[in-house]
Amino acid sequence: DAGITQSPRYKITETGRQVTLMCHQTWSHSYMFWYRQDLGHGLRLIYYSAAADITDKGEVPDGYVVSRSKTENFPLTLESATRSQTSVYFCASSVGRGGNEQFFGPGTRLTVL
Amino acid sequence: ELKVEQNPLFLSMQEGKNYTIYCNYSTTSDRLYWYRQDPGKSLESLFVLLSNGAVKQEGRLMASLDTKARLSTLHITAAVHDLSATYFCAVDRYQGGSEKLVFGKGTKLTVNP
Repeated sequence: DAGITQSPRYKITETGRQVTLMCHQTWSHSYMFWYRQDLGHGLRLIYYSAAADITDKGEVPDGYVVSRSKTENFPLTLESATRSQTSVYFCASSVGRGGNEQFFGPGTRLTVL
Repeated sequence: ELKVEQNPLFLSMQEGKNYTIYCNYSTTSDRLYWYRQDPGKSLESLFVLLSNGAVKQEGRLMASLDTKARLSTLHITAAVHDLSATYFCAVDRYQGGSEKLVFGKGTKLTVNP
């Protein structure tokens, strides 16, 4: 399907486990972003990527790792999940270079027990 | 550091009434975006405002941008229940060659019959 997709949509895991959230876009957008959304904090940027093999930290990167070997994929890994990482995670993409409207995926609701 | 403030954060209004949501930002930018988020859903792009004086309208919503005042407004005309959602504004932040958006905390709108 065209657009931006995330998987899984829901995930329950335990403290200390590694978890990878997947994001895939079919628009060939240059920029991709990971946000987390928590009550009282709004949207917070975790990591972003300007192109394949180019990533940079956002506002709250600790405890997360990203990679971008292909333009269309931008996985987010929680190396050792903590309860504070329970959240809704959104992936987004944009054309960049002046076209900065971001298009959001459906989100992944992650619960860490 | 670019800061984006929305007010009010919570808005309860009756059907048929008019109201305005305000989005102020702290540094120069001439691109602003409005998003809508329904409960449990992702963010959907509503308006893209790309220059001073830009005005966009769709249905009962109208957005405008005053870059000199660093202010955008989202005006709701004759509200209906279907407009109940959380509305976010986001401002372009071009920093270090990477194009990111800074989001306001959102305005949760409830339209009562």
